[in-house]
Amino acid sequence: QKEVEQNSGPLSVPEGAIASLNCTYSDRGSQSFFWYRQYSGKSPELIMFIYSNGDKEDGRFTAQLNKASQYVSLLIRDSQPSDSATYLCAVGGMTTDSWGKLQFGAGTQVVVTP
Amino acid sequence: TAGITQAPTSQILAAGRSMTLRCTQDMRHNAMYWYRQDLGLGLRLIHYSNTAGTTGKGEVPDGYSVSRANTDDFPLTLASAVPSQTSVYFCASSEGTSSDTQYFGPGTRLTVL
Repeated sequence: QKEVEQNSGPLSVPEGAIASLNCTYSDRGSQSFFWYRQYSGKSPELIMFIYSNGDKEDGRFTAQLNKASQYVSLLIRDSQPSDSATYLCAVGGMTTDSWGKLQFGAGTQVVVTP
Repeated sequence: TAGITQAPTSQILAAGRSMTLRCTQDMRHNAMYWYRQDLGLGLRLIHYSNTAGTTGKGEVPDGYSVSRANTDDFPLTLASAVPSQTSVYFCASSEGTSSDTQYFGPGTRLTVL
């Protein structure tokens, strides 16, 4: 079982709609959670991070964290064609072995259709 | 600022040859990382360094070695390349080691034939 799971997609979203991406993780001790966006042929770039349960909003993006259920999600409101990319979920641990390291999911491809 | 630079951008390498992928950051970050990204597998950690002079093994370290002689540079060496090392390699850095945000370089696309 992979430690960080994401649906690979593609997730097709009409322009202007809300894209909802989910990520589950296996390490209950995880304390930090990140969403990266990766355009084809480019490197990952940070969208948001979240450390506490609940919602965190930044512009059109909202990250939601539920540690009890071990999932983190990303909502993209008013989706634009420029949001078409692969979104990577990353989880940071707190154990001696995982300190300072991130576990990445394989990513969800989002396609925003005009 | 340049952030993180990687060289070369891409390379085709014969199996059995050695190669060093270069990574330099100008952010004075303490921690640096090497990942490989393969289709369907996501980013996997090869080696990391929490501070200059120290290195550690990640999830897939076999066939790779690293050194961290100073804060800025973190080269990755393939001593004897094999076709399974064909991948896109990303270098990343973070300010600290407490799961701080990691920033990525542009990547090196390596093909081993």
